[in-house]
Amino acid sequence: QPVLTQSSSASASLGSSVKLTCTLSSGHSSNVIAWHQQQPRKAPRFLMKVEVGGNDKKGSGVPDRFSGSSSGADVYLTISNVQSEDEADYYCETWDTNTRVFGGGTKLTVL
Amino acid sequence: EVQLLESGGGLVQPGGSLRLSCEAAGFNFRVYAMSWVRQAPGKGLEWVSYIRGSGGNSYYADSVKGRFTISRDDSKNTLYLQLNSLSAEDTAVYYCAKVGGNYDPIDWGQGTLVTVSS
Repeated sequence: QPVLTQSSSASASLGSSVKLTCTLSSGHSSNVIAWHQQQPRKAPRFLMKVEVGGNDKKGSGVPDRFSGSSSGADVYLTISNVQSEDEADYYCETWDTNTRVFGGGTKLTVL
Repeated sequence: EVQLLESGGGLVQPGGSLRLSCEAAGFNFRVYAMSWVRQAPGKGLEWVSYIRGSGGNSYYADSVKGRFTISRDDSKNTLYLQLNSLSAEDTAVYYCAKVGGNYDPIDWGQGTLVTVSS
C-alpha cells in the first residue's frame, strides 16, 4: 500500500511563493499524484494531477499561480504570489490497483 | 458542469446503520470510477471505498471492510454507501468524489455529516 508523507504545517507571506512537498513511499506503482485544497469549513477542491517525472494537469478554474512538479520520490505543489484565500489545508492523494491513500495534509498559514 | 450531491447523513446510535446517497449530474456517470472519502472532526481526509465504472469491482479501506458496502445504480446516476455496525470512530463528514482514470480531474461533493452517538 502506498504511503504519502506531508509536513503538517507551512507558512508564507502575502505575495511570496511557497513549495509544499508530498513524499511517495518506495515500491509504489502509481506514477500520478493529485493535489487538493480544503479551505476552512469547505469541501475539498481538486487542484491538479502531477505525473511523477512529467507534467501537471490543473483542474478547471485553478489559477496559474498553482503549479506541480516532482523530483525523485518528492512531488511538489508550488503556489506563487500567495494570496490570503490560499490559507487552507493541502492534501496529496494517490492510488494503486485496489486502494487510494491521502497524505496527512499540510496546513498553510498566510502571514 | 459536474454536480455531486450527498444525502442520508444524520445521528445514529452505536451499532446502527445508515445509507448514504450521492446523486451525480453533468457527466456520463456509468463509465466513471467513484469514491467515498471521510473526514473526522479536526482530522485529515481518509479514503473509505471506491467502485469502478461499468459494473467494475469495488474496494475498501481496512477500517471499514466488512461493515460498509459501496454500490451504484447507473440508471439513477447515484452512488451509495451502506454503513453498518457503526461506532463513534465513524463520525465524520462523508464526501463522494468522481475519480475517473489516472489523468481525469477529480470532482468532490459537498459532503454529508454522520454522527454516531448514544
